[in-house]
Amino acid sequence: KAGVTQTPRYLIKTRGQQVTLSCSPISGHRSVSWYQQTPGQGLQFLFEYFSETQRNKGNFPGRFSGRQFSNSRSEMNVSTLELGDSALYLCASSVEQGAIYGYTFGSGTRLTVV
Amino acid sequence: QKEVEQNSGPLSVPEGAIASLNCTYSDRGSQSFFWYRQYSGKSPELIMSIYSNGDKEDGRFTAQLNKASQYVSLLIRDSQPSDSATYLCAVGDSGGYQKVTFGTGTKLQVIP
Repeated sequence: KAGVTQTPRYLIKTRGQQVTLSCSPISGHRSVSWYQQTPGQGLQFLFEYFSETQRNKGNFPGRFSGRQFSNSRSEMNVSTLELGDSALYLCASSVEQGAIYGYTFGSGTRLTVV
Repeated sequence: QKEVEQNSGPLSVPEGAIASLNCTYSDRGSQSFFWYRQYSGKSPELIMSIYSNGDKEDGRFTAQLNKASQYVSLLIRDSQPSDSATYLCAVGDSGGYQKVTFGTGTKLQVIP
């Protein structure tokens, strides 16, 4: 059974640019959540998608957005990148809700903003 | 702001000992609780989930939950060097479509 696939693994971007990260959940999992992980703040919730609908959103600025496609694949986009956006971005897949069943995480995308 | 608190450590235990990791949470209505293990440079991996008060055992791992005290713990028996990792406590928020709030993790070092 394939795991959660995140692409790309590494990204280096310049301040002001935008970036799109991709996540393919485990087959049959309809919930995809995104987290930002930094050494100082730990895992911070960005948003959750289920059946192409955003069900929950964390306390991040509007520069952070996402979407989910009919095949449950999800993308997140960060516009107008800032140095503070440098982090590991983790996609978390769940059958129904990560808060009930727990998550399977992808390997993450390491974003460096210079 | 719902919070999950953990001692950052490092917690050092000798090989073969019991490692005890603790976590407190602020959302009194939370109903689901998880422990994730994260090796350095890797993504978190779910190792335990617990939903009701008491103990839940899985191999060398025991999760303990006390909702009245808003306290979750993870015991690792017969600790091995391969258990050295950061352990993240995670709590499902109450209400609506819950999100999960993570603690910042406790780093465990098992000394051979």
